[in-house]
Amino acid sequence: GAGVSQSPSNKVTEKGKDVELRCDPISGHTALYWYRQSLGQGLEFLIYFQGNSAPDKSGLPSDRFSAERTGGSVSTLTIQRTQQEDSAVYLCASSPRGLAMHEQFFGPGTRLTVL
Amino acid sequence: QQPVQSPQAVILREGEDAVINCSSSKALYSVHWYRQKHGEAPVFLMILLKGGEQKGHEKISASFNEKKQQSSLYLTASQLSYSGTYFCGTELQGRDDKIIFGKGTRLHILP
Repeated sequence: GAGVSQSPSNKVTEKGKDVELRCDPISGHTALYWYRQSLGQGLEFLIYFQGNSAPDKSGLPSDRFSAERTGGSVSTLTIQRTQQEDSAVYLCASSPRGLAMHEQFFGPGTRLTVL
Repeated sequence: QQPVQSPQAVILREGEDAVINCSSSKALYSVHWYRQKHGEAPVFLMILLKGGEQKGHEKISASFNEKKQQSSLYLTASQLSYSGTYFCGTELQGRDDKIIFGKGTRLHILP
C-alpha cells in the first residue's frame, strides 16, 4: 500500500517568506508526528497529532511554527517569516495508534532551504 | 531529556560486530531503534518495552536495562547493508506517546 508522502520534496525560499509543508499519512493511521533533521543532527521532535488534536506542541521552536491536521488525515506544517536557521529536512511520520509502542512510518521528507 | 548515543561513529569491516549504546537520565518506558540510510527516511528496527527484554531480528538484536535507563543495539557479523545512521528514541515513564531521538550513531561497513 501507499506509504507516507510529503510535499514538496524540496523547497527553496527567501528569508522572511512563509512556507507550508504537507504530509499525507498512511490511511487509517491516527497518530502523526513532525520532526526536523538538521545536517548531521538527530531527529528533533516538533509536534504530535492524535486525530486532529495536538496533545503535545512542546517541540515547536518558536511561535513562527504552527501545524494543523484536518479530517484525521493530511497535516500541514507552516513556518512564518522563515529564517536561515529553519533550513533543514522536515520529516513526517504516522503510526496506527497514538501509542509510542507502535512503529512509526516515516515519509521521505521535505528539504527546506532558506536563502 | 534527549538520550545520549555512543559511539558517535563506527567503521567496521564486513563480518565484524558492533554495539551501539543509548542512555537516558530519566526513567524510560520504551526504547525505539531506527536506521536511516543516506538520503532516505528512517526505517523501524525494533521497540523494547520496560522489563529488560531482549529482542532480535536475524543478526540485529537489542537489550533494554530499565534500571540503568540504557539500551544497546547489537549488530553481529555485519553486512554492507547495515551501513547507515542508527537512532535510538526514548519514551519516558510517563507514557506521553512522544519519542525523543538521540543524535545518532553513524555506522560504515567496509568490504
